[in-house]
Amino acid sequence: SYELTQPLSVSVALGQTARITCGRNNIGSKNVHWYQQRPGQAPVLVIYRDSNRPSGIPERFSGSNSGNTATLTISRAQAGDEADYYCQVWDSSTGVFGGGTKLTVL
Amino acid sequence: EVRLVQSGRHLVQPGGSLRLSCAASGFTVSTNYMTWVRQAPGKGLEWVSVIYSGGSSFYADSVKDRFTISRDNSKNTLYLQMNTLRGEDTAVYYCARDRSVLDALDIWGQGTMVTVSS
Repeated sequence: SYELTQPLSVSVALGQTARITCGRNNIGSKNVHWYQQRPGQAPVLVIYRDSNRPSGIPERFSGSNSGNTATLTISRAQAGDEADYYCQVWDSSTGVFGGGTKLTVL
Repeated sequence: EVRLVQSGRHLVQPGGSLRLSCAASGFTVSTNYMTWVRQAPGKGLEWVSVIYSGGSSFYADSVKDRFTISRDNSKNTLYLQMNTLRGEDTAVYYCARDRSVLDALDIWGQGTMVTVSS
């Protein structure tokens, strides 16, 4: 089955840059999407098609995808960025989510 | 406003059936790809099913032959019929709109908690 590998947790100091990875062999050939989920809330799309930001998402959020790793980068991290983050791709007609990464802002 | 509103929480016995609903406003369900995603307590997101605008549907192996995705165009509503429910189906179920064709999920419902327990 198609699997995406994310670190369980990432910590970042307030105001610094956090990077969350999503790994899979040749993931660079896929469109990768990223979602933010705060506790008790529905997921929110923060990056689509590797590096595009939906309307309303701060420029601090960016993405890249090449080779075997896609990366979500959060610059100038704020307390409000503390959440779970999930990457997602489509494998043929099947949706696939990464296991999720808990971002802690120190 | 573009939004998805889901039905309330449910408690059902193992082996039972349930139909979840997801009412759309601000866009037309039938002209979009629509997806169901679930999240077991304390766990990550799990893709469940997708229905294409043309009507084709696909399912995760874990729910295939037990769950059916459908829509009512007159009510602009998406459904998930869940049969032969098991304890491992206990989760919050989210409906979501695909922004294009097998693209990102840009609009999400608020979620429906389904508990399968005797």
